[in-house]
Amino acid sequence: DAGITQSPRHKVTETGTPVTLRCHQTENHRYMYWYRQDPGHGLRLIHYSYGVKDTDKGEVSDGYSVSRSKTEDFLLTLESATSSQTSVYFCAISESREGIQYFGAGTRLSVL
Amino acid sequence: QKEVEQNSGPLSVPEGAIASLNCTYSDRGSQSFFWYRQYSGKSPELIMSIYSNGDKEDGRFTAQLNKASQYVSLLIRDSQPSDSATYLCAVWGGSQGNLIFGKGTKLSVKP
Repeated sequence: DAGITQSPRHKVTETGTPVTLRCHQTENHRYMYWYRQDPGHGLRLIHYSYGVKDTDKGEVSDGYSVSRSKTEDFLLTLESATSSQTSVYFCAISESREGIQYFGAGTRLSVL
Repeated sequence: QKEVEQNSGPLSVPEGAIASLNCTYSDRGSQSFFWYRQYSGKSPELIMSIYSNGDKEDGRFTAQLNKASQYVSLLIRDSQPSDSATYLCAVWGGSQGNLIFGKGTKLSVKP
């Protein structure tokens, strides 16, 4: 998976609890992305980062926040998880803004 | 109009046949196009990228781009059961200037 590690790979949590997903890359790529994938919706961009401490919102950013304090790490936080955030979350990286995106293995999150 | 559209399938072809996957997009200014393959329970992996009108071949895969008609296609020659997966079309652009994915076409190659 192109030097991308997502953790945890699986998580079950309860509604209202905070959850943080981590994406770690060893490729030194500038751009990092968080997507969610749901049946019937395909892959949708949540947030992305174009450098340390530089982030922007994607299509479905409500209820999510991100942080990037180091080039290699991009964190996705659900401040108060809801059942609608049950999904598979993928991290992706790319060298350039319109460059090829490479995906991590994904995190399957269930919010009960 | 959805920004990137694909037939959801399933598309079923016999082993050895040509599988043809199609994708249309709405942003006329898009310049970068990608095909990803995703096996069930796995992450998307890049098959092809294409940036110019015409055909681009890589082994058994050929990507075709027609910007005037706003479609991009993927042909898989000599289809194998191992090609059975969901194929995602992705187009750079859209209303937010990001990579927009279609919902994917599920391909089933029957032995």
